[in-house]
Amino acid sequence: DGGITQSPKYLFRKEGQNVTLSCEQNLNHDAMYWYRQDPGQGLRLIYYSQIVNDFQKGDIAEGYSVSREKKESFPLTVTSAQKNPTAFYLCASRGGAEQPQHFGDGTRLSIL
Amino acid sequence: RKEVEQDPGPFNVPEGATVAFNCTYSNSASQSFFWYRQDCRKEPKLLMSVYSSGNEDGRFTAQLNRASQYISLLIRDSKLSDSATYLCVVNGPGFQKLVFGTGTRLLVSP
Repeated sequence: DGGITQSPKYLFRKEGQNVTLSCEQNLNHDAMYWYRQDPGQGLRLIYYSQIVNDFQKGDIAEGYSVSREKKESFPLTVTSAQKNPTAFYLCASRGGAEQPQHFGDGTRLSIL
Repeated sequence: RKEVEQDPGPFNVPEGATVAFNCTYSNSASQSFFWYRQDCRKEPKLLMSVYSSGNEDGRFTAQLNRASQYISLLIRDSKLSDSATYLCVVNGPGFQKLVFGTGTRLLVSP
């Protein structure tokens, strides 16, 4: 089945710790995206990548980092610099400029 | 002005009712328009694309008004299962990213 897989579903971070959220897609999409959603709020763009080895900051990139070494994979690292990381993180991919985005089922990150 | 604006609601309607949501966008160069549905604590899922001539998918009808820069979603014969948040989505500048509205919440009651 084609789709986007995010792991883990739930993640807990200790103070001062970096954590990495995984996002893998087998849709052969060039573009991939990371969003953050806080309770009762809309989606906010963290980072996006249009092609392998290239990525751009979104609206709230501070405290986050990404890599895009393979077309299928776009991991997000939440660094210790992100002081309020508790949120629902969503990864998406897109097949072309006028195509919709498809989402993974998300990772919920909380602070211990 | 926000890039995409929606009335947050909630819209409370009885089963069987017809309900309509509007969404306005600021980028007149936008070319792609979509409605997504998001259930509580779940990922957004594509409901339908919105085409210039308007389009229908079962009980759902989407319209685009480029002159006034808004799109609409009409839901006929509402079901309990239609209760969700509906997100309006539009191409961002440069078409590299999509801009999501904050959503309109719909509650359908028996």
